[in-house]
Amino acid sequence: LAKTTQPISMDSYEGQEVNITCSHNNIATNDYITWYQQFPSQGPRFIIQGYKTKVTNEVASLFIPADRKSSTLSLPRVSLSDTAVYYCLVAPDTGRRALTFGSGTRLQVQP
Amino acid sequence: GAVVSQHPSRVICKSGTSVKIECRSLDFQATTMFWYRQFPKQSLMLMATSNEGSKATYEQGVEKDKFLINHASLTLSTLTVTSAHPEDSSFYICSALPFDRETQYFGPGTRLLVL
Repeated sequence: LAKTTQPISMDSYEGQEVNITCSHNNIATNDYITWYQQFPSQGPRFIIQGYKTKVTNEVASLFIPADRKSSTLSLPRVSLSDTAVYYCLVAPDTGRRALTFGSGTRLQVQP
Repeated sequence: GAVVSQHPSRVICKSGTSVKIECRSLDFQATTMFWYRQFPKQSLMLMATSNEGSKATYEQGVEKDKFLINHASLTLSTLTVTSAHPEDSSFYICSALPFDRETQYFGPGTRLLVL
């Protein structure tokens, strides 16, 4: 499985846009990129998934360059409730196999 | 849709006792469920893969006789921590994979504290 590297932590303020970048240099052709959000003492929550270019949903956007060796999760206008740990995962067959979680990025949103 | 529940949400038990944790997919059928464990300030670690009607597949280092997994139906998987010890205290999280989708859905987790 492709290894992922993310910043350990990030700080932001309410209303700002937050971009979290994940490196996955060894991504394979059939790998998808998935981001999960986890609040303390809760299970991870699916945010967004993509294979290439850009994906957008009601929560976030995911930017994937042509070489797919990295990806950026973009959270528009964060609020205090976006304080959480964000995990970038790379796995084949989208999500049909067990997931390998890295250390994640702890985002702290300040008022 | 795609809701996964876990019961109990938290449990405290004495050392040496056994604890059963249930994972249910409420509005879909899941042929595959996964069990993860998360220690404080750490990431999720896969313990085992549970397939309906067959034996679970355990990750290296996870004792199958200590962590009993039963996936008797398409909506229920159980994890039993047998003869629990304080080092088994952790946050146990399950995920379920709908047979017709490509995304796993996670339960809310179960906090186990062994005294």
